[in-house]
Amino acid sequence: DTGVSQNPRHKITKRGQNVTFRCDPISEHNRLYWYRQTLGQGPEFLTYFQNEAQLEKSRLLSDRFSAERPKGSFSTLEIQRTEQGDSAMYLCASSLQYQPQHFGDGTRLSIL
Amino acid sequence: DAKTTQPNSMESNEEEPVHLPCNHSTISGTDYIHWYRQLPSQGPEYVIHGLTSNVNNRMASLAIAEDRKSSTLILHRATLRDAAVYYCILRQGGSNYKLTFGKGTLLTVNP
Repeated sequence: DTGVSQNPRHKITKRGQNVTFRCDPISEHNRLYWYRQTLGQGPEFLTYFQNEAQLEKSRLLSDRFSAERPKGSFSTLEIQRTEQGDSAMYLCASSLQYQPQHFGDGTRLSIL
Repeated sequence: DAKTTQPNSMESNEEEPVHLPCNHSTISGTDYIHWYRQLPSQGPEYVIHGLTSNVNNRMASLAIAEDRKSSTLILHRATLRDAAVYYCILRQGGSNYKLTFGKGTLLTVNP
């Protein structure tokens, strides 16, 4: 069990640029989740995949955000035209059906 | 999602037991009680979960009140590595996504 892997661990970018994060879930897990966490707050749900199908998106996920999970394996989260308010820790988690979620250590995004 | 209420912070001494409370007065019959913790600079980590009966695992014990309106996470012997934010979360039975985190309880462990 190599755990959930997220890359990069840190990303610094200028406002208006596009960024993409990658999540590699635990290999046999068919469910994958994205969360966002700002300083002093608990993580907030963004979206959820079962295999390659994106089954739910939070209202937090504006049209500048897009997530994919091709072939039901790794997932990417892209943010277009980044804004100051996008600065946060982006967390990925994976699980088997009805089992607890396993989280990666996140990608910290800083917008200059 | 039903809400939970936890103290903002708690303090404990190393090698002593810690009881972390959680109130969930609006819990429904199908809600499971989950606990996760988050160490500094890491993602959340699953600790334990239960429905009605008390549960034990290698990390902790979960004591659930008879009316299910409250629960307590018990760390039997706190270590410095247990210093973390502990989240109590209600998760609907059959719902396999969307954990709703509050602010949790920041546990400080003194050597």
